[in-house]
Amino acid sequence: ELKVEQNPLFLSMQEGKNYTIYCNYSTTSDRLYWYRQDPGKSLESLFVLLSNGAVKQEGRLMASLDTKARLSTLHITAAVHDLSATYFCAVDGGGGADGLTFGKGTHLIIQP
Amino acid sequence: NAGVTQTPKFRILKIGQSMTLQCTQDMNHNYMYWYRQDPGMGLKLIYYSVGAGITDKGEVPNGYNVSRSTTEDFPLRLELAAPSQTSVYFCASSYLGQDEQYFGPGTRLTVT
Repeated sequence: ELKVEQNPLFLSMQEGKNYTIYCNYSTTSDRLYWYRQDPGKSLESLFVLLSNGAVKQEGRLMASLDTKARLSTLHITAAVHDLSATYFCAVDGGGGADGLTFGKGTHLIIQP
Repeated sequence: NAGVTQTPKFRILKIGQSMTLQCTQDMNHNYMYWYRQDPGMGLKLIYYSVGAGITDKGEVPNGYNVSRSTTEDFPLRLELAAPSQTSVYFCASSYLGQDEQYFGPGTRLTVT
């Protein structure tokens, strides 16, 4: 059974600081996804990482994937309040067709 | 494109009642998915479909049924609603299995 663990689950940080969210998963997979969810809203796709060593950046967010370590990171640079949200990583269990297995999410609060 | 649409947005059911959650996508995606999200948790896959006429169980299918008669629609049926089915239900779609999934706005269901 595929397990996906995120840490931390809750993070409060100040604007301007850097931080990293970690996502570990338990079985081999080459596909990992990061989503953002605002309170009471749906999920918004941030990054799709499809191979070992993949790195993608969008604004102050950068995601990377190490399939050998079964680890993905989401790095936040010089955080701003607008990045406050819950961030989920999700792993494709295999074959693409059987849906994603999600972590529990990291609830991120960025304070002025 | 409207993307993925879901109806209703909110619903309260009494124990033992039945209902259908509607999901429609206009992106000509082959793959469609139903997830549920419990408070403070990630999403769990209920059912998925790789094309019209083909459906399969996900991680938590008990108490639910689906059908996929067209590419666009993927309704989720709850029979004999139970309090444990109180959750937020998200429908998602993707063109191929390994592509990012696009999520609908969700249906918030309460069973009392």
